[in-house]
Amino acid sequence: DGGITQSPKYLFRKEGQNVTLSCEQNLNHDAMYWYRQDPGQGLRLIYYSQIVNDFQKGDIAEGYSVSREKKESFPLTVTSAQKNPTAFYLCASTGDPQLGYNEQFFGPGTRLTVL
Amino acid sequence: AQSVTQLGSHVSVSEGALVLLRCNYSSSVPPYLFWYVQYPNQGLQLLLKYTTGATLVKGINGFEAEFKKSETSFHLTKPSAHMSDAAEYFCAVSDRNRLTFGEGTQLTVNP
Repeated sequence: DGGITQSPKYLFRKEGQNVTLSCEQNLNHDAMYWYRQDPGQGLRLIYYSQIVNDFQKGDIAEGYSVSREKKESFPLTVTSAQKNPTAFYLCASTGDPQLGYNEQFFGPGTRLTVL
Repeated sequence: AQSVTQLGSHVSVSEGALVLLRCNYSSSVPPYLFWYVQYPNQGLQLLLKYTTGATLVKGINGFEAEFKKSETSFHLTKPSAHMSDAAEYFCAVSDRNRLTFGEGTQLTVNP
């Protein structure tokens, strides 16, 4: 089955630690996205990548980093510089980002809790 | 810049009643509009989308939405609510490279 996988489902981190969230897709999509979701705030874009080895900051990139070394993978690192990292993180992908009518497909999410 | 406003962060209906979730958008170009649904602790699933052509769009699970350019609206409706419709619903607008989401509407269905 084609789709997007995120791991782990739940993640706990101590303050001051970096942590990496995994996102893999087998849909052969060009573009991938990372969102952060907090109650009552909808989805906010962290980073996105439209092609391998290239990515752009979204609206709330501070304290996060990404890489796009392979088409199918787009890992997100939450660094110790992120002041309030506890949230639900969603990864998404789409086939051709220039075709705005293409919907984004979402993974199941990772819930990160800082202890 | 694109923006989306969802009127009502919480909507409660009785089972069998009409569901109406409101979405207004702002866009500098002809918009592509989407409705997604999210069940607890899951990702988002596409309900329907408007691209061009017919302004009444039918989606999954009996939902539909009507694009009204003059009102800059894309409200989501379902004639008869089911208990299984209880979830959070997000409206989104595309600017070709990214989606901008509304803050979401939590739908509660009462027996």
